[in-house]
Amino acid sequence: EVHLEESGGDLVQPGGSLRLSCAASGFTFSSYEMNWVRQAPGKGLEWVSYIDRSGSTIYYADSVKGRFTISRDNAKDSLYLQMNSLRAEDMAVYYCAREISYDAFDIWGQGTMVTVSS
Amino acid sequence: AIQMTQSPSSLSASVGDRVTITCRASQGIRNDLAWYQQKPGKAPQLLIYDASTLQSGVPSRFSGSASGTDFTLAISSLQPEDFATYYCLQDYNYPRTFGQGTKVEIK
Repeated sequence: EVHLEESGGDLVQPGGSLRLSCAASGFTFSSYEMNWVRQAPGKGLEWVSYIDRSGSTIYYADSVKGRFTISRDNAKDSLYLQMNSLRAEDMAVYYCAREISYDAFDIWGQGTMVTVSS
Repeated sequence: AIQMTQSPSSLSASVGDRVTITCRASQGIRNDLAWYQQKPGKAPQLLIYDASTLQSGVPSRFSGSASGTDFTLAISSLQPEDFATYYCLQDYNYPRTFGQGTKVEIK
């Protein structure tokens, strides 16, 4: 079964750091581009970041550029999001999502909650 | 960044009703648009990609269409399991941008 599972969400103070992970199973992870999408409590979806299959092409939302770093380890079938200088507005459920050849996100994880509060 | 203006933000409908939701892009995006359904506490699910192609396993009562920079998601006969929030997403360029969402509620 094709599956994505996020982990690493936690309560962190403003200015702190956190690393999210997304473990893939049931498909050839290295063949797919991946994304992070977040959703603040009671709010809509916000795209966060993209990484291509090799990790050589990366994009970020302006709201996280310079603070977040996306990466992947194809040998471990894993996607990561390093989040630094966290702000209250970064508090959200973070989803990893697989991108298919026609650019849509066909598989999503269940999400991991990041809480930023003192 | 391309802005996606989605309307309405919410609607009330009855089982069996036909429902339409619209997204307007701030510039041309070809047909590079997808629709997602999200139920409370769950991850979004892909319904339609390339503006009008139904994702495998999605019921045929869902359909998508495009006219210039206007995109429409239609549900031909609303079922109880369709009460959810729907989002459009442009995948024409980066940054990707979602519409604000449309919550479909039971009348």
